[in-house]
Amino acid sequence: DSGVTQTPKHLITATGQRVTLRCSPRSGDLSVYWYQQSLDQGLQFLIQYYNGEERAKGNILERFSAQQFPDLHSELNLSSLELGDSALYFCASSVQQGVNEQFFGPGTRLTVL
Amino acid sequence: AQTVTQSQPEMSVQEAETVTLSCTYDTSESDYYLFWYKQPPSRQMILVIRQEAYKQQNATENRFSVNFQKAAKSFSLKISDSQLGDAAMYFCAYSTSGTYKYIFGTGTRLKVLA
Repeated sequence: DSGVTQTPKHLITATGQRVTLRCSPRSGDLSVYWYQQSLDQGLQFLIQYYNGEERAKGNILERFSAQQFPDLHSELNLSSLELGDSALYFCASSVQQGVNEQFFGPGTRLTVL
Repeated sequence: AQTVTQSQPEMSVQEAETVTLSCTYDTSESDYYLFWYKQPPSRQMILVIRQEAYKQQNATENRFSVNFQKAAKSFSLKISDSQLGDAAMYFCAYSTSGTYKYIFGTGTRLKVLA
């Protein structure tokens, strides 16, 4: 158990819908990262927050957005969902904005039908 | 742009034998970090080993060790005395102090044969 929690574990929805994925980092970790893993692919970096502020952005679609709240939990919002958005979405956290080890949550599996 | 390449989509090893997984990367940075992560069927990402680029000594964690060749931009993982529980996808990842994000390779699926 990494100490990072993600909810829900599984999510099944339809095209065109909007969903919110939630992540709670390890206690004391200020930095949160979101990654997308499509079927049998590597993880693709989406976005990073540090203490409530966006710090780095990857190839995140405009239909996707995220935020980190004062209690440091983070939410990833996916809208106008398409079949290709079906993937495993991981959240990771680290102590500070540095190249420390990132601790990964168990992931949320999103299925878009 | 930084890239990470894992050229072996799948590898097999006999139980108790040794296997080496390959990873190469491309970067113009001098300060960076390299990682190997294991992803078992549960899909949990588990850190296996990490290497700081400024350290010349290869990292070792029990049965896992790396061969870090900075000039060649190569970072291979050696698993000794392979166990059935080592069967998983293995991802090589790169990160720099500038961006902090991880760049992952496409993974190598390791099968351990009894």
